[in-house]
Amino acid sequence: AQSVTQPDIHITVSEGASLELRCNYSYGATPYLFWYVQSPGQGLQLLLKYFSGDTLVQGIKGFEAEFKRSQSSFNLRKPSVHWSDAAEYFCAVGAQGANNLFFGTGTRLTVIP
Amino acid sequence: DAGVTQSPTHLIKTRGQQVTLRCSPKSGHDTVSWYQQALGQGPQFIFQYYEEEERQRGNFPDRFSGHQFPNYSSELNVNALLLGDSALYLCASSLGFGPEKLFFGSGTQLSVL
Repeated sequence: AQSVTQPDIHITVSEGASLELRCNYSYGATPYLFWYVQSPGQGLQLLLKYFSGDTLVQGIKGFEAEFKRSQSSFNLRKPSVHWSDAAEYFCAVGAQGANNLFFGTGTRLTVIP
Repeated sequence: DAGVTQSPTHLIKTRGQQVTLRCSPKSGHDTVSWYQQALGQGPQFIFQYYEEEERQRGNFPDRFSGHQFPNYSSELNVNALLLGDSALYLCASSLGFGPEKLFFGSGTQLSVL
């Protein structure tokens, strides 16, 4: 069965500190992996995606993620967090040719000055 | 170039009523997918429309139905509303199939009282 686990419901970091958001997935086929960000009451903005090639992918807003097949993980990182990064972050998994993404329950990021 | 547009942005209904939500896909896109995002949860796939037919469906009851028009726009209909149907409904469009092709709208916030 397909599933995505984001073990951290809420994370608080200081502005300028580094960030890592965890994501573990369970998927039978070769996974297509995504990180989305959502501000309150808004839709989803794609930060980055991975489906093949280099396991370290770069995204928008200075985010990056690393795919580790052996650990079934796709953690999101940012070296220096900005106050505007405060939002909800969702990890998702899908399959080639399919439009049904499976999302985790999200991690809410709070940034303190 | 307009992205994915959804209407209305907010809606309040009463239990037992019926509701219709609308989605206009991004220009050039021919496939529409719908997701339900309950409070504090990640989005869940409802169904996908392509060539005016439902092509794939998630684990949602028959109270949830949809339609796609020749201009590729789509409607999501929910009958016999329950309190638990209160959620943000997201529409995503794509040109063909594939999770990496999805563009999400800002959603319609449905409140059922």
